[in-house]
Amino acid sequence: GAGVSQTPSNKVTEKGKYVELRCDPISGHTALYWYRQSLGQGPEFLIYFQGTGAADDSGLPNDRFFAVRPEGSVSTLKIQRTERGDSAVYLCASSSLRGGRRHEQFFGPGTRLTVL
Amino acid sequence: DQQVKQNSPSLSVQEGRISILNCDYTNSMFDYFLWYKKYPAEGPTFLISISSIKDKNEDGRFTVFLNKSAKHLSLHIVPSQPGDSAVYFCAASANFGNEKLTFGTGTRLTIIP
Repeated sequence: GAGVSQTPSNKVTEKGKYVELRCDPISGHTALYWYRQSLGQGPEFLIYFQGTGAADDSGLPNDRFFAVRPEGSVSTLKIQRTERGDSAVYLCASSSLRGGRRHEQFFGPGTRLTVL
Repeated sequence: DQQVKQNSPSLSVQEGRISILNCDYTNSMFDYFLWYKKYPAEGPTFLISISSIKDKNEDGRFTVFLNKSAKHLSLHIVPSQPGDSAVYFCAASANFGNEKLTFGTGTRLTIIP
């Protein structure tokens, strides 16, 4: 597809369970970002990948959150021992870093996570 | 600490008139600013951006103005159309190469036919 895709679109889980959220970025985009959007707020940065490595994970709220991008394309955000406060829309974005200029980020539709 | 602020949660404008959305920021390190539009159940869609070396950028009906001394930017939409009804987010980044975005809380724009 031409855009960023995220699966699942909705995820309902019980408190204490483990969840994985997947992001397929735009082909060729080396930069990948995860954000979290709570109701009534703007998206908040979680983690940034440049290629396969996490270049900036300063936005991860605690060690229950982890993300990987093993082949420099698809990324998975993993949340252990989910809590009700983790309920939010998780957004993935990708961008190109070519050309030595600033680039906009392209967002996926998000995964709505509900922790009961 | 909210580094990017959108103080108007909502705005209603008559179709055909100008819509002006405002955004203020506090971090002097921000040097690249973007506006995104969001419809329900969709991800944010990029609209327009501006670098801190400019004070204006125009793309069709959309113009963004940047006032660095006041740490203020605004998005002008003219003429406003019903399809412009959405939530608009202002965002900023500080580092070339790691362009993590800091977003405002959004302004819901409603265009009245």
